[in-house]
Amino acid sequence: DSGVTQTPKHLITATGQRVTLRCSPRSGDLSVYWYQQSLDQGLQFLIQYYNGEERAKGNILERFSAQQFPDLHSELNLSSLELGDSALYFCASSVGGGDSPLHFGNGTRLTVT
Amino acid sequence: AQSVTQLGSHVSVSEGALVLLRCNYSSSVPPYLFWYVQYPNQGLQLLLKYTSAATLVKGINGFEAEFKKSETSFHLTKPSAHMSDAAEYFCAVSDYGSSNTGKLIFGQGTTLQVKP
Repeated sequence: DSGVTQTPKHLITATGQRVTLRCSPRSGDLSVYWYQQSLDQGLQFLIQYYNGEERAKGNILERFSAQQFPDLHSELNLSSLELGDSALYFCASSVGGGDSPLHFGNGTRLTVT
Repeated sequence: AQSVTQLGSHVSVSEGALVLLRCNYSSSVPPYLFWYVQYPNQGLQLLLKYTSAATLVKGINGFEAEFKKSETSFHLTKPSAHMSDAAEYFCAVSDYGSSNTGKLIFGQGTTLQVKP
Protein backbone atom coordinates (compact mmCIF):
# COMPACT_ATOMS: atom_id res chain seq x y z
CA ASP A 1 0.00 0.00 0.00
CA SER A 2 1.58 3.27 -1.19
CA GLY A 3 -0.54 5.44 1.08
CA VAL A 4 -1.90 7.39 -1.89
CA THR A 5 -5.66 7.07 -2.32
CA GLN A 6 -7.49 7.72 -5.55
CA THR A 7 -11.22 7.75 -6.12
CA PRO A 8 -13.15 6.56 -7.96
CA LYS A 9 -11.45 3.43 -9.31
CA HIS A 10 -13.54 3.41 -12.44
CA LEU A 11 -15.51 6.04 -14.31
CA ILE A 12 -17.65 5.53 -17.37
CA THR A 13 -19.10 8.61 -18.96
CA ALA A 14 -20.23 10.00 -22.29
CA THR A 15 -18.51 12.38 -24.65
CA GLY A 16 -18.95 16.01 -23.75
CA GLN A 17 -19.33 15.34 -20.04
CA ARG A 18 -17.21 16.54 -17.13
CA VAL A 19 -15.67 14.40 -14.39
CA THR A 20 -13.61 14.96 -11.27
CA LEU A 21 -10.88 12.63 -10.07
CA ARG A 22 -9.76 12.81 -6.47
CA CYS A 23 -6.43 12.09 -4.82
CA SER A 24 -5.27 12.00 -1.20
CA PRO A 25 -1.47 12.01 -0.90
CA ARG A 26 0.63 10.11 1.59
CA SER A 27 0.74 11.66 5.00
CA GLY A 28 3.46 14.30 5.06
CA ASP A 29 3.88 14.59 1.29
CA LEU A 30 3.46 18.12 -0.01
CA SER A 31 3.81 17.41 -3.74
CA VAL A 32 1.08 15.87 -5.84
CA TYR A 33 1.56 14.82 -9.45
CA TRP A 34 -0.97 13.73 -12.05
CA TYR A 35 -0.09 11.35 -14.86
CA GLN A 36 -2.09 9.92 -17.74
CA GLN A 37 -1.35 6.39 -18.94
CA SER A 38 -2.55 5.20 -22.31
CA LEU A 39 -1.43 2.45 -24.67
CA ASP A 40 -0.25 4.81 -27.37
CA GLN A 41 1.25 7.61 -25.26
CA GLY A 42 2.61 5.71 -22.28
CA LEU A 43 2.94 7.59 -19.00
CA GLN A 44 2.53 11.30 -19.59
CA PHE A 45 3.04 13.92 -16.91
CA LEU A 46 0.10 16.29 -16.66
CA ILE A 47 0.60 18.66 -13.75
CA GLN A 48 2.22 19.05 -10.32
CA TYR A 49 1.19 20.94 -7.21
CA TYR A 50 3.34 21.69 -4.21
CA ASN A 51 1.68 22.77 -0.99
CA GLY A 52 -1.29 24.23 -2.83
CA GLU A 53 0.62 25.98 -5.59
CA GLU A 54 0.99 24.85 -9.18
CA ARG A 55 4.65 23.89 -9.64
CA ALA A 56 4.91 22.36 -13.12
CA LYS A 57 2.74 21.76 -16.13
CA GLY A 58 3.19 19.04 -18.69
CA ASN A 59 1.07 17.81 -21.54
CA ILE A 60 -2.19 18.88 -19.99
CA LEU A 61 -5.03 19.89 -22.27
CA GLU A 62 -6.84 23.19 -21.76
CA ARG A 63 -10.00 21.17 -21.09
CA PHE A 64 -8.28 19.70 -18.02
CA SER A 65 -7.58 21.52 -14.79
CA ALA A 66 -6.43 20.63 -11.32
CA GLN A 67 -6.08 22.07 -7.87
CA GLN A 68 -4.63 21.19 -4.50
CA PHE A 69 -6.60 22.09 -1.41
CA PRO A 70 -5.35 23.26 2.01
CA ASP A 71 -5.62 19.71 3.36
CA LEU A 72 -3.29 18.73 0.46
CA HIS A 73 -5.75 16.52 -1.37
CA SER A 74 -5.97 17.20 -5.07
CA GLU A 75 -8.61 17.03 -7.77
CA LEU A 76 -8.22 16.67 -11.50
CA ASN A 77 -11.14 18.01 -13.53
CA LEU A 78 -11.67 16.78 -17.06
CA SER A 79 -14.30 18.53 -19.17
CA SER A 80 -15.76 18.30 -22.68
CA LEU A 81 -14.59 14.73 -22.68
CA GLU A 82 -13.61 13.04 -25.91
CA LEU A 83 -13.15 9.38 -26.75
CA GLY A 84 -9.40 9.90 -26.76
CA ASP A 85 -9.44 10.92 -23.11
CA SER A 86 -10.11 7.33 -22.13
CA ALA A 87 -7.06 6.31 -20.10
CA LEU A 88 -5.74 5.44 -16.68
CA TYR A 89 -5.12 8.54 -14.58
CA PHE A 90 -2.59 8.26 -11.78
CA CYS A 91 -1.92 10.49 -8.87
CA ALA A 92 1.44 10.35 -7.13
CA SER A 93 2.90 12.16 -4.17
CA SER A 94 6.35 12.86 -2.80
CA VAL A 95 8.05 14.92 -0.14
CA GLY A 96 9.57 16.99 -2.95
CA GLY A 97 13.10 17.28 -4.27
CA GLY A 98 14.76 15.69 -7.25
CA ASP A 99 15.90 12.54 -5.47
CA SER A 100 12.55 11.79 -3.87
CA PRO A 101 10.66 8.89 -5.39
CA LEU A 102 7.04 9.31 -6.36
CA HIS A 103 4.49 7.12 -4.64
CA PHE A 104 1.59 6.20 -6.87
CA GLY A 105 -2.04 5.50 -6.21
CA ASN A 106 -3.86 2.68 -7.98
CA GLY A 107 -5.32 5.02 -10.54
CA THR A 108 -8.71 5.92 -11.94
CA ARG A 109 -9.70 4.18 -15.13
CA LEU A 110 -11.73 6.57 -17.26
CA THR A 111 -13.79 5.25 -20.13
CA VAL A 112 -15.47 7.77 -22.41
CA THR A 113 -18.21 6.32 -24.62
CA ALA B 1 16.17 17.86 -21.20
CA GLN B 2 16.20 14.55 -19.42
CA SER B 3 14.88 11.41 -21.10
CA VAL B 4 15.02 7.65 -20.84
CA THR B 5 14.86 4.92 -23.45
CA GLN B 6 13.92 1.37 -22.61
CA LEU B 7 15.24 -1.12 -25.11
CA GLY B 8 12.71 -3.82 -25.85
CA SER B 9 9.01 -3.40 -25.22
CA HIS B 10 8.65 -7.12 -24.45
CA VAL B 11 11.09 -9.48 -22.78
CA SER B 12 10.40 -13.17 -22.26
CA VAL B 13 12.43 -15.40 -19.94
CA SER B 14 12.02 -18.84 -18.44
CA GLU B 15 11.43 -19.26 -14.75
CA GLY B 16 14.80 -19.38 -13.00
CA ALA B 17 16.61 -17.54 -15.80
CA LEU B 18 18.38 -14.21 -15.57
CA VAL B 19 16.23 -11.12 -16.03
CA LEU B 20 17.82 -8.16 -17.82
CA LEU B 21 15.77 -5.07 -18.63
CA ARG B 22 17.63 -2.28 -20.38
CA CYS B 23 17.41 1.43 -19.77
CA ASN B 24 19.50 4.25 -21.19
CA TYR B 25 19.18 7.82 -20.03
CA SER B 26 19.99 11.27 -21.28
CA SER B 27 20.61 13.99 -18.75
CA SER B 28 22.38 17.33 -18.67
CA VAL B 29 23.14 16.90 -14.97
CA PRO B 30 24.07 13.90 -12.80
CA PRO B 31 20.85 11.93 -12.95
CA TYR B 32 18.51 10.57 -10.35
CA LEU B 33 17.16 7.31 -11.75
CA PHE B 34 14.35 5.01 -10.72
CA TRP B 35 12.82 1.67 -11.64
CA TYR B 36 9.15 1.00 -11.05
CA VAL B 37 7.01 -2.10 -11.53
CA GLN B 38 3.34 -2.13 -12.46
CA TYR B 39 1.21 -5.21 -11.95
CA PRO B 40 -2.12 -5.48 -13.77
CA ASN B 41 -4.76 -3.09 -12.49
CA GLN B 42 -2.39 -1.54 -9.99
CA GLY B 43 -0.33 1.58 -9.64
CA LEU B 44 3.41 1.85 -10.03
CA GLN B 45 5.53 0.49 -7.22
CA LEU B 46 9.09 1.67 -6.59
CA LEU B 47 11.68 -1.07 -7.08
CA LEU B 48 14.84 0.95 -6.51
CA LYS B 49 16.47 4.33 -7.01
CA TYR B 50 19.90 5.73 -7.80
CA THR B 51 20.80 9.07 -6.28
CA SER B 52 24.59 9.26 -6.77
CA ALA B 53 25.66 7.05 -3.89
CA ALA B 54 26.70 3.45 -4.74
CA THR B 55 26.55 2.63 -8.44
CA LEU B 56 25.08 -0.80 -7.74
CA VAL B 57 21.67 -0.34 -6.23
CA LYS B 58 19.70 -3.12 -4.59
CA GLY B 59 15.94 -3.01 -4.56
CA ILE B 60 12.98 -5.04 -3.50
CA ASN B 61 12.08 -8.55 -4.67
CA GLY B 62 15.72 -9.42 -5.49
CA PHE B 63 16.15 -6.80 -8.21
CA GLU B 64 19.21 -4.64 -8.60
CA ALA B 65 20.47 -2.07 -11.09
CA GLU B 66 23.89 -0.75 -11.97
CA PHE B 67 24.52 2.86 -12.90
CA LYS B 68 27.14 3.15 -15.64
CA LYS B 69 27.94 6.74 -16.49
CA SER B 70 30.20 5.84 -19.41
CA GLU B 71 27.37 3.94 -21.05
CA THR B 72 24.55 6.24 -19.80
CA SER B 73 22.79 3.08 -18.70
CA PHE B 74 20.83 1.89 -15.70
CA HIS B 75 19.87 -1.70 -16.52
CA LEU B 76 17.70 -3.74 -14.15
CA THR B 77 18.64 -7.33 -13.35
CA LYS B 78 17.49 -10.27 -11.27
CA PRO B 79 19.48 -13.50 -11.12
CA SER B 80 16.52 -15.86 -11.17
CA ALA B 81 13.06 -15.02 -12.49
CA HIS B 82 9.92 -16.03 -10.64
CA MET B 83 6.47 -16.32 -12.15
CA SER B 84 5.39 -13.48 -9.88
CA ASP B 85 7.85 -11.13 -11.62
CA ALA B 86 5.63 -10.98 -14.71
CA ALA B 87 4.62 -7.33 -14.94
CA GLU B 88 5.45 -4.09 -16.72
CA TYR B 89 8.63 -2.30 -15.72
CA PHE B 90 9.36 1.39 -16.11
CA CYS B 91 12.63 3.25 -15.95
CA ALA B 92 12.42 6.92 -15.01
CA VAL B 93 14.67 9.94 -14.58
CA SER B 94 14.02 12.94 -12.39
CA ASP B 95 13.85 16.25 -14.21
CA TYR B 96 15.44 18.16 -11.35
CA GLY B 97 18.18 19.44 -13.64
CA SER B 98 15.68 21.23 -15.87
CA SER B 99 13.12 22.52 -13.46
CA ASN B 100 13.79 21.13 -9.99
CA THR B 101 10.19 20.07 -9.67
CA GLY B 102 10.97 16.47 -8.92
CA LYS B 103 8.66 15.13 -11.59
CA LEU B 104 9.71 11.90 -13.22
CA ILE B 105 10.07 11.29 -16.93
CA PHE B 106 9.26 7.69 -17.79
CA GLY B 107 10.37 5.33 -20.48
CA GLN B 108 7.82 3.50 -22.58
CA GLY B 109 7.94 0.43 -20.36
CA THR B 110 9.01 -3.18 -20.82
CA THR B 111 6.60 -6.05 -20.35
CA LEU B 112 8.29 -9.01 -18.71
CA GLN B 113 6.83 -12.43 -19.45
CA VAL B 114 8.01 -15.39 -17.36
CA LYS B 115 7.46 -18.82 -18.84
CA PRO B 116 7.18 -21.91 -16.66
